[in-house]
Amino acid sequence: GQQVMQIPQYQHVQEGEDFTTYCNSSTTLSNIQWYKQRPGGHPVFLIQLVKSGEVKKQKRLTFQFGEAKKNSSLHITATQTTDVGTYFCAGPSGNTPLVFGKGTRLSVIA
Amino acid sequence: GAGVSQSPRYKVAKRGQDVALRCDPISGHVSLFWYQQALGQGPEFLTYFQNEAQLDKSGLPSDRFFAERPEGSVSTLKIQRTQQEDSAVYLCASTILGGMGNQPQHFGDGTRLSIL
Repeated sequence: GQQVMQIPQYQHVQEGEDFTTYCNSSTTLSNIQWYKQRPGGHPVFLIQLVKSGEVKKQKRLTFQFGEAKKNSSLHITATQTTDVGTYFCAGPSGNTPLVFGKGTRLSVIA
Repeated sequence: GAGVSQSPRYKVAKRGQDVALRCDPISGHVSLFWYQQALGQGPEFLTYFQNEAQLDKSGLPSDRFFAERPEGSVSTLKIQRTQQEDSAVYLCASTILGGMGNQPQHFGDGTRLSIL
């Protein structure tokens, strides 16, 4: 079935630096979702992308969906300590509504 | 309640015991999902319901795992004859509508299960 791969697995940045995580699927996705999970917390929905080439922004966060709808990225500008957590992409696969990637764990050094 | 509620928050059981984990979704939400999350990993899909119907249980690791949602609201995930590899956080999520992976999922805080 469809697999969702995320890179990098870990990222350590200095506060104020930018951060990007990438998500790649083995098959075309009808849509892709992004979630954030703080340490000790549960996944929280950030955004959904549906259209080929779509770009959405939420303050310092920019989300992109590839033209072929097989990849996506999340870019954070000028990271803050509040951005710490694990970022997951997720997409449907066959009869399964949502398959999650393994996530990218972001650490921000103040 | 305002959000998805799971109980217990923590469960410790001896290997071989049966456990039952409860999920109370957001009121009125049609679909309910169960995930297993091992330490440092992403949530792994187990099963999901639309109302009381279990539409996909392909992620259940073995026949020791059983889930139900008899009245289309509260759901229970039961694990029989627990084994150490069952130790994980079990997450429940709900969505307001049915359908395939095109809506935000609202997660509970999870149940952390430890098998000794």
